[in-house]
Amino acid sequence: EAQVTQNPRYLITVTGKKLTVTCSQNMNHEYMSWYRQDPGLGLRQIYYSMNVEVTDKGDVPEGYKVSRKEKRNFPLILESPSPNQTSLYFCASSLSTGNTEAFFGQGTRLTVV
Amino acid sequence: GENVEQHPSTLSVQEGDSAVIKCTYSDSASNYFPWYKQELGKRPQLIIDIRSNVGEKKDQRIAVTLNKTAKHFSLHITETQPEDSAVYFCAATLNSGYSTLTFGKGTMLLVSP
Repeated sequence: EAQVTQNPRYLITVTGKKLTVTCSQNMNHEYMSWYRQDPGLGLRQIYYSMNVEVTDKGDVPEGYKVSRKEKRNFPLILESPSPNQTSLYFCASSLSTGNTEAFFGQGTRLTVV
Repeated sequence: GENVEQHPSTLSVQEGDSAVIKCTYSDSASNYFPWYKQELGKRPQLIIDIRSNVGEKKDQRIAVTLNKTAKHFSLHITETQPEDSAVYFCAATLNSGYSTLTFGKGTMLLVSP
């Protein structure tokens, strides 16, 4: 089954404790991205990747890192999480660039206390 | 960069009524406009999209119209049903190798039986 898988689904952590949210897709998609969803603000892009070893900042990259060492995986790293990073995070992948259907993961609900 | 405005933020209709959600975009070069539906607690999923070489596209009860001159596009849902209740996001992007998807802030549609 074609899918985008994120882990974990839920995470509560403390300020400053490094964490990684994993994202994997099995559709051989080149394009992957991370979004955060906050009430009233919609989906805002954090980082995106055009292909292996090619990443770039989205609209809200501060406090986040990403890597794309393999085509299928695109982890999101929070080196020193802060409470303002409490949010719902979605990973997405698409066949090529942003002008094809984006397939979203199940979402990760992150709470930083 | 691209900016997408979406209205209204909430929309309540009676079952069987029509619903219209409107979006405007700022970058005249944008030429791909998808709509995503997000049910409560679920991931966003593509429901319909339109490219700038067409003015209207229909798929059963949903349709999207595009006015490139005015830089706005709309989602039309006819004969609404309770299962249409969800948050709807419009988005815009360039049809180029380095395009990213910019989302509107979303519209919560509530369909009352």
